[in-house]
Amino acid sequence: GNSVTQMEGPVTLSEEAFLTINCTYTATGYPSLFWYVQYPGEGLQLLLKATKADDKGSNKGFEATYRKETTSFHLEKGSVQVSDSAVYFCALSRGGSNYKLTFGKGTLLTVNP
Amino acid sequence: GAVVSQHPSWVICKSGTSVKIECRSLDFQATTMFWYRQFPKQSLMLMATSNEGSKATYEQGVEKDKFLINHASLTLSTLTVTSAHPEDSSFYICSAPDTLTDKPSYEQYFGPGTRLTVT
Repeated sequence: GNSVTQMEGPVTLSEEAFLTINCTYTATGYPSLFWYVQYPGEGLQLLLKATKADDKGSNKGFEATYRKETTSFHLEKGSVQVSDSAVYFCALSRGGSNYKLTFGKGTLLTVNP
Repeated sequence: GAVVSQHPSWVICKSGTSVKIECRSLDFQATTMFWYRQFPKQSLMLMATSNEGSKATYEQGVEKDKFLINHASLTLSTLTVTSAHPEDSSFYICSAPDTLTDKPSYEQYFGPGTRLTVT
């Protein structure tokens, strides 16, 4: 079956530090890959996505590249801000008639000033 | 982008009563919606897939008689927690893909969530 494994936190960084949150997946075929962010007390917001191998998703300074050879979709940001403090979820969708998302367990990021 | 709303955003109810949570796609049609449950500091657990005009599909271990799902239109799905008990207290989130126009990314749009507290 499909599965997503992501680095478990919590991760605590100082402002302007470099961020990497690792995510690897197991799936047949060519899933779409997503990073979602959840701020305290809120629902999930799409941060970025990639639909095929070697695609790079990017948004708000965050990036992730779909690496089929390593089945990975690691999230990176060069300089984090306090406002980036949130829970980050890696997810995949196999699409077709089944739009179900398979989530990783989430990584809590805290950025200190 | 597409917007999904949920109502109410939070609700407190007494044990034994039922509570209904609405999930609406505001600017797109959703033939499928998903309901999740999230415990504190944990990931989302998929409860069921809501299909417009047909029965919902429940994930293993989810009581369909306790969590009633109705998807009567292309923009509205409801989750009713029947005979609620304190252990049903949780954060309930819905999502919907825009299956008509958003291929092939299969992106899902999430509602802001409903905090249910059963006393």
